[in-house]
Amino acid sequence: AQSVAQPEDQVNVAEGNPLTVKCTYSVSGNPYLFWYVQYPNRGLQFLLKYITGDNLVKGSYGFEAEFNKSQTSFHLKKPSALVSDSALYFCAVRASRLTGGGNKLTFGTGTQLKVEL
Amino acid sequence: GAGVSQSPSNKVTEKGKDVELRCDPISGHTALYWYRQSLGQGLEFLIYFQGNSAPDKSGLPSDRFSAERTGESVSTLTIQRTQQEDSAVYLCASSLVAGGTQETQYFGPGTRLLVL
Repeated sequence: AQSVAQPEDQVNVAEGNPLTVKCTYSVSGNPYLFWYVQYPNRGLQFLLKYITGDNLVKGSYGFEAEFNKSQTSFHLKKPSALVSDSALYFCAVRASRLTGGGNKLTFGTGTQLKVEL
Repeated sequence: GAGVSQSPSNKVTEKGKDVELRCDPISGHTALYWYRQSLGQGLEFLIYFQGNSAPDKSGLPSDRFSAERTGESVSTLTIQRTQQEDSAVYLCASSLVAGGTQETQYFGPGTRLLVL
């Protein structure tokens, strides 16, 4: 079975400071990893994904994430936070097709990011 | 272009009634997914359609839940004899290529269901 852990329910950061939202995963075989953001009363918006290749993935709105196979982590980062980044962030994993894991995404419980002036 | 759309955006119903939720995927997307987001359970997979293949129903919580998809277009999620624990936001997603390395699921705004 595949699973995702987001150990922090909430992360607070001052505007202009770097931010990190943590994610660890468990899956058979090679993972496909995703980050989504959810603003209030909205659906999930895709930010970035890791499939293969460079461990540092760049995505929308200046976000990036680093895949670390040995630590089974995929932390989301941004060098300089904005107040408008305040939202709920979800990490998700899917097994690669070869492992027969199906196409469903398994999500973490979400991390509320609050960026203050 | 247009994203995934869902209707209604909000639905209030009485316990025991049936409800239908609709999803219009992005044009050309062959795969369609339903997820449920609730306070107690987080985001959970319900069902997945890919072209003419048999759907993956492994996430449906009970036989009161069913879904249909017409070809590669609209999908309807039906909940029969609704219970209060069915109250949640139902999210639909679609992707261009299912299961491949290029697959990215794009989500609609969701339908917020409240069962009284």
